Amino acid sequence: QSALTQPPSASGSPGQSVTISCTGTSSDVGAYNYVSWYQQYPGKAPKLMIYEVNKRPSGVPDRFSGSKSGNTASLTVSGLQAEDEADYYCTSYAGSNNWALFGGGTKLTVL
Amino acid sequence: QVQLQESGPGLVKPSETLSLTCTVSGVSIRSHYWSWIRQPPGKGLEWIGCIYFTGSINYNPSLRSRVNLSVDTSKNQFSLKLLSVTAADTAVYYCARHLKVGDSSFDYWGQGTLVTVSS
Repeated sequence: QSALTQPPSASGSPGQSVTISCTGTSSDVGAYNYVSWYQQYPGKAPKLMIYEVNKRPSGVPDRFSGSKSGNTASLTVSGLQAEDEADYYCTSYAGSNNWALFGGGTKLTVL
Repeated sequence: QVQLQESGPGLVKPSETLSLTCTVSGVSIRSHYWSWIRQPPGKGLEWIGCIYFTGSINYNPSLRSRVNLSVDTSKNQFSLKLLSVTAADTAVYYCARHLKVGDSSFDYWGQGTLVTVSS
């Protein structure tokens, strides 16, 4: 199975909203509501921001939201802040033979 | 407080076996599924495989033939062996905890350990 497809980069000004897409297939993103999003700063481990498409772990600001339509999942960051500048990765359950298929990552720049 | 810590050699020769251990503290290893994930320098994340304390294992199909996972409940540890490594296996290796069974969400991660494959 190929990796999920994410745009390599995204950007927005402070206070704006930005949406990052994650496109898979009917065998992964489209088949299951098990899409997660991670934030990663350089040299650090990823941090879980969204799970099961649109759920936020405790402590994650509600500026971060997730959604899914068909084979494409999306992460929206509202009210952009400088601290949101990081790499973002999506992942999806892809069946019993591949529990976690990652996207290639999107570098979010806050202008 | 849940913590994960990877340990193992930082340098492995080509064709040899990469061996890493993840020590879990703050929670019983029997409570969740546990995964290994890697990230080549400057590149994206790749899931390697996961294990449950019962010995139930799932592998990334692209790595299945070269990966062995094991768990030691007495030490609250799980381990990774990657056989016949090449330079393409150079990466930061992370261990992580699954939020839920059968889910691809990882809520706790180790800090990661860089393994370089080179002679």
